[in-house]
Amino acid sequence: KAGVTQTPRYLIKTRGQQVTLSCSPISGHRSVSWYQQTPGQGLQFLFEYFSETQRNKGNFPGRFSGRQFSNSRSEMNVSTLELGDSALYLCATRTETPGANVLTFGAGSRLTVL
Amino acid sequence: AQSVTQLDSQVPVFEEAPVELRCNYSSSVSVYLFWYVQYPNQGLQLLLKYLSGSTLVKGINGFEAEFNKSQTSFHLRKPSVHISDTAEYFCAVLNTGGFKTIFGAGTRLFVKA
Repeated sequence: KAGVTQTPRYLIKTRGQQVTLSCSPISGHRSVSWYQQTPGQGLQFLFEYFSETQRNKGNFPGRFSGRQFSNSRSEMNVSTLELGDSALYLCATRTETPGANVLTFGAGSRLTVL
Repeated sequence: AQSVTQLDSQVPVFEEAPVELRCNYSSSVSVYLFWYVQYPNQGLQLLLKYLSGSTLVKGINGFEAEFNKSQTSFHLRKPSVHISDTAEYFCAVLNTGGFKTIFGAGTRLFVKA
């Protein structure tokens, strides 16, 4: 089956702009988590969605937001971009069956803010 | 709150030598533990996981890890590394019954010929 698909893979924005990233999960995966990866910081948890509801949220400012659609696809949005938002944004999905605790990751969207 | 500490940011090692990547975690409740690997320009993929039972778990590519509850550690080992093992390795923790997986900062493994 198809893996987790993230689009776009690469993008360049300037400070003050906004960006929307998309994540299509594996069929049957209804939980979608977003992470920000920067050198030396590892993966920082942004938020997690399940059944179109945000179930968990990390410690990021309100400029970072997300949503999930009825087909489990998810988008995240960053408004008023700052230089420090340059990072690899990773989407990870999983099922909700008992014992389903392993995340399947997409290849990421690499955002560069100039 | 949970946290994960990977004690080494970079580990250089010669090919065919053994390697250990260290991971400590903190949590007030029982947890599941994971190691993921990230190759260049790719997302993360699961190496191995500890859910319960035997404290020694074996994963893909010859890696294994040992869960030590008293020391709250989950170190990753491989007896003989290959050039192709060069990658970044992430330790992660998830509260049992929870939904938020927390990752460490990563350890970059360099395997030299």
